[in-house]
Amino acid sequence: AQSVSQHNHHVILSEAASLELGCNYSYGGTVNLFWYVQYPGQHLQLLLKYFSGDPLVKGIKGFEAEFIKSKFSFNLRKPSVQWSDTAEYFCAVIPPGGSYIPTFGRGTSLIVHP
Amino acid sequence: DGGITQSPKYLFRKEGQNVTLSCEQNLNHDAMYWYRQDPGQGLRLIYYSQIVNDFQKGDIAEGYSVSREKKESFPLTVTSAQKNPTAFYLCASSIGGTDYGYTFGSGTRLTVV
Repeated sequence: AQSVSQHNHHVILSEAASLELGCNYSYGGTVNLFWYVQYPGQHLQLLLKYFSGDPLVKGIKGFEAEFIKSKFSFNLRKPSVQWSDTAEYFCAVIPPGGSYIPTFGRGTSLIVHP
Repeated sequence: DGGITQSPKYLFRKEGQNVTLSCEQNLNHDAMYWYRQDPGQGLRLIYYSQIVNDFQKGDIAEGYSVSREKKESFPLTVTSAQKNPTAFYLCASSIGGTDYGYTFGSGTRLTVV
């Protein structure tokens, strides 16, 4: 089945460590890609999105993601994490076909130790 | 401030009872969505509505029903037919069409007791 995969379910890092969270999808054609973050007790909010153009996308709070079409991937990165980055991170993909409804990955829980 | 209001924040239901979760938005968004969030399973789409008086089933619609009589409101009813209703329910809205900006509500945690 076509899907969105987040391979890291739980990640634990120390402050100042670098972060990379994987996201792969299995849809062919043109897709739109998103990363959302859910801080403890808060709404889901958009970190960044890719529609077209430069495959390296900058988001809020120092996050970035790179779209690699040949690898069907959209990995999220941050060079130096902070304790406040502790949250659940969701990758989402709008597949081709016109529904404009995103499919979400299962999420990655990130814990950053001070 | 514009946004999405979900109520109640916590809801307890006895087995065999129907219960309705409220979702109201004042963003003038055309499209509204209901997701279910379970640990380790991400967000799964229950129902969505892209225009008033019209809605479509998502991936896990069985045991749920919705209505969209007003643009601002998209209530979700969890019926007694839903076998495993204990979950966190999220409502979202977007302008619709080619605008992909979702705004999420703060969620309702439903527990069956």
